[in-house]
Amino acid sequence: GAGVSQSPSNKVTEKGKDVELRCDPISGHTALYWYRQRLGQGLEFLIYFQGNSAPDKSGLPSDRFSAERTGGSVSTLTIQRTQQEDSAVYLCASSLGAGFNSPLHFGNGTRLTVT
Amino acid sequence: AQSVTQPDIHITVSEGASLELRCNYSYGATPYLFWYVQSPGQGLQLLLKYFSGDTLVQGIKGFEAEFKRSQSSFNLRKPSVHWSDAAEYFCAVGGTSYGKLTFGQGTILTVHP
Repeated sequence: GAGVSQSPSNKVTEKGKDVELRCDPISGHTALYWYRQRLGQGLEFLIYFQGNSAPDKSGLPSDRFSAERTGGSVSTLTIQRTQQEDSAVYLCASSLGAGFNSPLHFGNGTRLTVT
Repeated sequence: AQSVTQPDIHITVSEGASLELRCNYSYGATPYLFWYVQSPGQGLQLLLKYFSGDTLVQGIKGFEAEFKRSQSSFNLRKPSVHWSDAAEYFCAVGGTSYGKLTFGQGTILTVHP
């Protein structure tokens, strides 16, 4: 079946530009997560959506980062005024529900390069 | 705050040899522990998880991991490595009620024929 889909797979942008990254979760999955993976580092939690509840934004590194999830499905992560330190792979994951008995299914990520 | 340490950045083994990847965690209560694998060009895949109960957990692809509370460790093992196991492996810990995980830096596994 279809997994978590992310687009674009690669994005190169100039410093100072805004970018939007898209995530299509698995159909029926109510929970959606964004993580960031910098070169040589582990994944960093960014934000979490669960159903209609207010998102957990505690991992967003600055106010230049924002995310929304429309209709409980597709999510967009927006980075405004990109900086070189934003270069990373941005991973989206979804799960059937909240809780650790609902494993995370990850997409292949969007590789963002800020020049 | 919770944290995860994977002491080995890169490990090389011969095909057919045994494998152990180390993971140490820091968390104040009983943690939820995971191992994920990331193959080139593919997303992360869950290998196994520990919540409670038996401290030796079995996962997919012949992997197993043992939770040792006294050592704050959750090492991943496989008795005989296959060339297709070459990938990057991540240990993760969760301490809240959902998938807000803290990941280690990862261990890259190279398998020699």
